[in-house]
Amino acid sequence: QKEVEQNSGPLSVPEGAIASLNCTYSDRVSQSFFWYRQYSGKSPELIMSIYSNGDKEDGRFTAQLNKASQYVSLLIRDSQPSDSATYLCAVLNTGGFKTIFGAGTRLFVKA
Amino acid sequence: DAGITQSPRHKVTETGTPVTLRCHQTENHRYMYWYRQDPGHGLRLIHYSYGVKDTDKGEVSDGYSVSRSKTEDFLLTLESATSSQTSVYFCATRTGGYENNTQYFGPGTRLTVL
Repeated sequence: QKEVEQNSGPLSVPEGAIASLNCTYSDRVSQSFFWYRQYSGKSPELIMSIYSNGDKEDGRFTAQLNKASQYVSLLIRDSQPSDSATYLCAVLNTGGFKTIFGAGTRLFVKA
Repeated sequence: DAGITQSPRHKVTETGTPVTLRCHQTENHRYMYWYRQDPGHGLRLIHYSYGVKDTDKGEVSDGYSVSRSKTEDFLLTLESATSSQTSVYFCATRTGGYENNTQYFGPGTRLTVL
């Protein structure tokens, strides 16, 4: 079992719809979780971090964390073609030094 | 943006040759990382550093070595390049602590081993 698992996609949604991206992790004691966005040919950039159970909203983005289910999700409301990218879920390991990344989910937003 | 540069940005080399990739940061971040990214695998950690001369292995460290003699520079060396090391290599930095785990990535180096 991989430490951080994501559906590779591609996930295709129409413009204006809600895109839902999901991630599961194996280390039950992990405390810090992140979503990075990576455009084709570019480097990853952080879009959301979440540390507590529940929802965290930032503009059109909402991160959701359920530690009991070891599940993290990212919702993108009012999806735009510019949101088309690969989204990487990441988990900070319990030692606090290393961040483990999932393989990423490719999102396409159709105009 | 954290000031992170990588050099070279592109390199083509032959099997068996040594290769060194350089990561330079201007942010005085304590932690530095080297990742490789391959289709279907996402970002995989090669080595990381938690201070000058303090380094440790990641999940895919075989065939790679690193050195950090100054806070701002983190070098990744492929002692004898193989075709399986063809990849895109990203350097990243982090300030430190659980509350400051944003990783800032460099632009990447595309390495092709023929």
